[in-house]
Amino acid sequence: DAGVIQSPRHEVTEMGQEVTLRCKPISGHNSLFWYRQTMMRGLELLIYFNNNVPIDDSGMPEDRFSAKMPNASFSTLKIQPSEPRDSAVYFCASSSVGQQETQYFGPGTRLLVL
Amino acid sequence: GEDVEQSLFLSVREGDSSVINCTYTDSSSTYLYWYKQEPGAGLQLLTYIFSNMDMKQDQRLTVLLNKKDKHLSLRIADTQTGDSAIYFCADQAAGNKLTFGGGTRVLVKP
Repeated sequence: DAGVIQSPRHEVTEMGQEVTLRCKPISGHNSLFWYRQTMMRGLELLIYFNNNVPIDDSGMPEDRFSAKMPNASFSTLKIQPSEPRDSAVYFCASSSVGQQETQYFGPGTRLLVL
Repeated sequence: GEDVEQSLFLSVREGDSSVINCTYTDSSSTYLYWYKQEPGAGLQLLTYIFSNMDMKQDQRLTVLLNKKDKHLSLRIADTQTGDSAIYFCADQAAGNKLTFGGGTRVLVKP
């Protein structure tokens, strides 16, 4: 299994630009999570999906952030417009819904907004 | 809401044992996890324990759970330089959402 795949691995953009991060979960997993990691705030859950349906988006910081999961094998996290304070590492993780749910993390997208 | 706390930093000599501690507040936790993050990488699951267990051993790793005190620890025996990383504990309560601690940075000195 290839594991959770994220793209791009690195993104540098200018303030005001739209940024789209992509995630392919592990095949057969039906839960998908988006996290943000910064030195100041640690690891924060932004949003998660069960069976492609958003369950909890209370961690999404602002309306500038949106996430979609059009099918079981793909999700996007979009920031529009981006700001320097959005600079962070964004992780996607997936798991199988069940009693014990190990989350498997992707390698992350390192975003720098200038 | 749930809260998971860890100490920030641990320094240990190569060959010694490391003990990383974690406390959590949610009494309805079902599973508790330890993840490892190496520089520039995502989080990698190390081990997990079901809340009705008090100990789990997996090669060099020993997890101890004191449910009464809501205290979780991870012991790494014979710590190696490759064990230098950030270690996160996480608890799973209702649903499939995990609450992560802030991470403990472990530095192994030769």
